[in-house]
Amino acid sequence: AQSVTQLDSQVPVFEEAPVELRCNYSSSVSVYLFWYVQYPNQGLQLLLKYLSGSTLVKGINGFEAEFNKSQTSFHLRKPSVHISDTAEYFCAVSDRTNFGNEKLTFGTGTRLTIIP
Amino acid sequence: NAGVTQTPKFQVLKTGQSMTLQCAQDMNHEYMSWYRQDPGMGLRLIHYSVGAGITDQGEVPNGYNVSRSTTEDFPLRLLSAAPSQTSVYFCASRMGLAGNEQFFGPGTRLTVL
Repeated sequence: AQSVTQLDSQVPVFEEAPVELRCNYSSSVSVYLFWYVQYPNQGLQLLLKYLSGSTLVKGINGFEAEFNKSQTSFHLRKPSVHISDTAEYFCAVSDRTNFGNEKLTFGTGTRLTIIP
Repeated sequence: NAGVTQTPKFQVLKTGQSMTLQCAQDMNHEYMSWYRQDPGMGLRLIHYSVGAGITDQGEVPNGYNVSRSTTEDFPLRLLSAAPSQTSVYFCASRMGLAGNEQFFGPGTRLTVL
């Protein structure tokens, strides 16, 4: 079974400051990793994903994440945040070996609040 | 191209009532799923389908039924609503394998009194 831990439920950050949202996962097999963003009163949309290859993944809106297999982490970063980044961010993991029945397991989310 | 659509957007039920949450996608995606979102608990998988005629249970299936008669539609049925089913429900779809992006609908906010 796989699981995801997002260590911070809320992260306040001043505008134009850097931010890191932490995500750790647990799985007995190799995985795909995702970050999704949910803006207020909307559904989720994909920020970025790690499938294979380079461990540094770049996504939309200036976000990036680094896959660290030894630490089983996939932390999300942005060097300079904007008011429009205020949203809830979800880390998710999928077992890449259970072919055809892959389920996406989500973390509990991190609410990012940008302070003007 | 509408993507993933859900109806209704809001619904209030009394305990014991039944209803169906509708979900449709026009992207010809094989994989569809239903999640519920509760404060502090993230999204939890209720049921999913890997194609027409094939469904399976997720993490929290009790109290919900699904069917998948067409590729486009994946309705979620609450047989006898309970206050514990008060939540926001999201439908999602993706093409094929797990590495592909899931597309989410706008959600249905359900309150059970």
